[in-house]
Amino acid sequence: DTAVSQTPKYLVTQMGNDKSIKCEQNLGHDTMYWYKQDSKKFLKIMFSYNNKELIINETVPNRFSPKSPDKAHLNLHINSLELGDSAVYFCASSQEARGLRGNTGELFFGEGSRLTVL
Amino acid sequence: KQEVTQIPAALSVPEGENLVLNCSFTDSAIYNLQWFRQDPGKGLTSLLLIQSSQREQTSGRLNASLDKSSGRSTLYIAASQPGDSATYLCAVHANDYKLSFGAGTTVTVRA
Repeated sequence: DTAVSQTPKYLVTQMGNDKSIKCEQNLGHDTMYWYKQDSKKFLKIMFSYNNKELIINETVPNRFSPKSPDKAHLNLHINSLELGDSAVYFCASSQEARGLRGNTGELFFGEGSRLTVL
Repeated sequence: KQEVTQIPAALSVPEGENLVLNCSFTDSAIYNLQWFRQDPGKGLTSLLLIQSSQREQTSGRLNASLDKSSGRSTLYIAASQPGDSATYLCAVHANDYKLSFGAGTTVTVRA
């Protein structure tokens, strides 16, 4: 069973289109994240949700909109795609609830979704 | 803002040699530090997690140390094998939930 799964794995689309990437985790974690890995392989956080509440919103264009329908899902919708949006997008989850015994905050990542904008 | 630096950027060693990968961070108020491995075109695999109260963690041939006061962590891989070739990423988990990554060290182990 895949712990953190993302779909689609590959996405090729034209500039100006709107696309979504879905993420699901079956670990029972309370926090989910979206990260972007650029062409230089550097990973940067975009968003984080804790119990469906947005807790991290980095300086990301408002064309990117995350949605968390429940604790196990965090989707990323991108409007009006631009060439510079081409990257690998990673979803991750962790159990935060800090202070509770056994919660280490260890992050588990999905396999990534490679987005290519033409 | 947390800055994470990994040195060296790339490393090539013959099989059997021990590997030493360094990670430094600027803000010592951390929750934990995590080492990952990334193979080309793949996701991130968690290797070791060190809580802020711990000094080191070990798993098989891997050992990671943490010196919070000096803002440093080191990942040791003993008796390297060609299968250890990958990019190793250090990530610092701050108290504000943000995980900041280093740029990674790309390791090549020659058979």
